[in-house]
This record gives sequence, C-alpha cells and structure tokens, in this order.
Amino acid sequence: AQSVTQPDIHITVSEGASLELRCNYSYGATPYLFWYVQSPGQGLQLLLKYFSGDTLVQGIKGFEAEFKRSQSSFNLRKPSVHWSDAAEYFCAVVWYSGGGADGLTFGKGTHLIIQP
Amino acid sequence: DVKVTQSSRYLVKRTGEKVFLECVQDMDHENMFWYRQDPGLGLRLIYFSYDVKMKEKGDIPEGYSVSREKKERFSLILESASTNQTSMYLCASSFQGLGSYEQYFGPGTRLTVT
Repeated sequence: AQSVTQPDIHITVSEGASLELRCNYSYGATPYLFWYVQSPGQGLQLLLKYFSGDTLVQGIKGFEAEFKRSQSSFNLRKPSVHWSDAAEYFCAVVWYSGGGADGLTFGKGTHLIIQP
Repeated sequence: DVKVTQSSRYLVKRTGEKVFLECVQDMDHENMFWYRQDPGLGLRLIYFSYDVKMKEKGDIPEGYSVSREKKERFSLILESASTNQTSMYLCASSFQGLGSYEQYFGPGTRLTVT
C-alpha cells in the first residue's frame, strides 16, 4: 500500500535555529506532494506543494521544501524558526491516477516545539 | 479565499445515536472529502465524493456513510455512534482535474461519543 513516513514524532528547536522536517513516501510514478501545518485547535493550512518543475519549492511563512525523486523524499526546511512556528506538521501525498479525485495520504505528523 | 465550514466545532453524543456532521464549501469545488484525525495516526480518509450523489470509500469507511445532495454540501453520517468513533473529523474540498489535488480544509469537528 502507498504510504507516507514522517520519522520524527517530536522535534525541539531553539528559536532562531534552522529546521528540517523529514518526509518519505512509498514509490509512485507521479506523486504530488504537500506540507500542511496545524496550529492547536485549528484546521490544516497548506504551506507548500510540489507538482512538477523546479524541485525546490517555496511556501508561505518562510518555509521551503525539496523534492528528491531518487530518495523518495520531500523534506521541509526553514532557515530560522520563530516561536509562532510551534505546531503539528503533516506531509501528504497523492499519486496521480488519471481520475478526477483522490484522497491525500498523510504522514502521522511531526510535533514541533520551539525553545526560547 | 476558499472557505470550508463545518457545522459544529465540538459535539458530544451518546453511544447508539445517529450523528450528522455537515460540511459546506463556497468555491464550487467538485471534490469533497472526510478525514478523521487521531493522535499518532495522522489523518485517514473515510469517504470522498467527486460529484453530486457520487461517493467513494476511503481507507476506513466502516461505521460511516455519506450524503452529497448538493455540490457545496457533504455530510458524514454515523448511523450508530460508538466510543471508538470519538475523534476529530476534518472536511476538505478541491477542484477536479490534472494538477488540482490541493485540498482546502475546514476547522474540524471534535466529536466525543460517551
């Protein structure tokens, strides 16, 4: 079955430090990749997405992610985190099937804690 | 801005009750989805719909049904609620077609079944 792995359940980073959240997906011919963020008590907000083209994509709030097909990875990065970045981060994938609708497959999430 | 709204933020129901969770989107999206979110499990797809009156099972449809009578509205139904259905339920919508897999999420409904 197709799957998405976020190997880090929790990550603690000092404010101002750099951040990398890992995401790996099971092999698929044409994956479409997303990172969502969920603040406490909120729904999911899209940070960035990759469909095709440049493998380094920029998102909102200063986040970026790099698609590496050879490693089946789509890691999220930020050069300097802020206390407001503390949240749950989800990587999600949908594999193009030629149809009009497919649900996203989500990783289990990474909980980001920011230390002052 | 795309807006996806869910009828309740918090809901408490008793075991055996029939429960309706409502979702409305205002962007004329063809596709709508229901997920449940549990700690340590991430989000899992329950059902989705790509057109009015059309529905497809997701990964965990057991114990749930859905209804889509109008394009903008997608309802999740728990025919006989059980305690293991206590969860956060998230609705999402998206356009249909190549490259349009971006989904927009509602704020969620936290359902407690006692």
